[in-house]
Amino acid sequence: KAGVTQTPRYLIKTRGQQVTLSCSPISGHRSVSWYQQTPGQGLQFLFEYFSETQRNKGNFPGRFSGRQFSNSRSEMNVSTLELGDSALYLCASSSWTGQETQYFGPGTRLLVL
Amino acid sequence: ELKVEQNPLFLSMQEGKNYTIYCNYSTTSDRLYWYRQDPGKSLESLFVLLSNGAVKQEGRLMASLDTKARLSTLHITAAVHDLSATYFCAVDFLYKLTFGKGTLLTVNP
Repeated sequence: KAGVTQTPRYLIKTRGQQVTLSCSPISGHRSVSWYQQTPGQGLQFLFEYFSETQRNKGNFPGRFSGRQFSNSRSEMNVSTLELGDSALYLCASSSWTGQETQYFGPGTRLLVL
Repeated sequence: ELKVEQNPLFLSMQEGKNYTIYCNYSTTSDRLYWYRQDPGKSLESLFVLLSNGAVKQEGRLMASLDTKARLSTLHITAAVHDLSATYFCAVDFLYKLTFGKGTLLTVNP
């Protein structure tokens, strides 16, 4: 079956702008998580959604927000971009049966100038 | 706050040699994952370890989990160049994965 898809794959923005990233999970998966990867901080958890409800949130400022739609697709938004937001943003989906891993999408590489 | 520590962070191996990557974590969890990441790519799932004493093997890689010691190991047998990548362990707790910093593995001929 098709894997996790993320759009766009690459994005260049300037400071102060906002950005919306999209993630389509594997068919049948109801859990979507978002992670930020940077060389300095590594992989950090942003938030997780299950059936449109946010179940956990990482230690990121309120500029980072997300949502999940009834078809399990998810978006994350970053407002008032800062240079430090440049990163690879990864989306992962899971069925959360307790037996499966989280499957990661190809990521969106965001560059803030 | 859950902490996950991997060591070593850098590992340069010769082809044909064996080595082990260690992953220690600070809180009780029955689910631990190993992922591989190639440069510029996303994360590829290697193993899911779901209970104390779990052992999984795939090719030259074998992973184990000791929940009492809060320790997982990834053992590499007879390394080959194709195994060069960054390996991450991640602990599952409260619907989120907490990752170690990763081990950059380079296998030299």
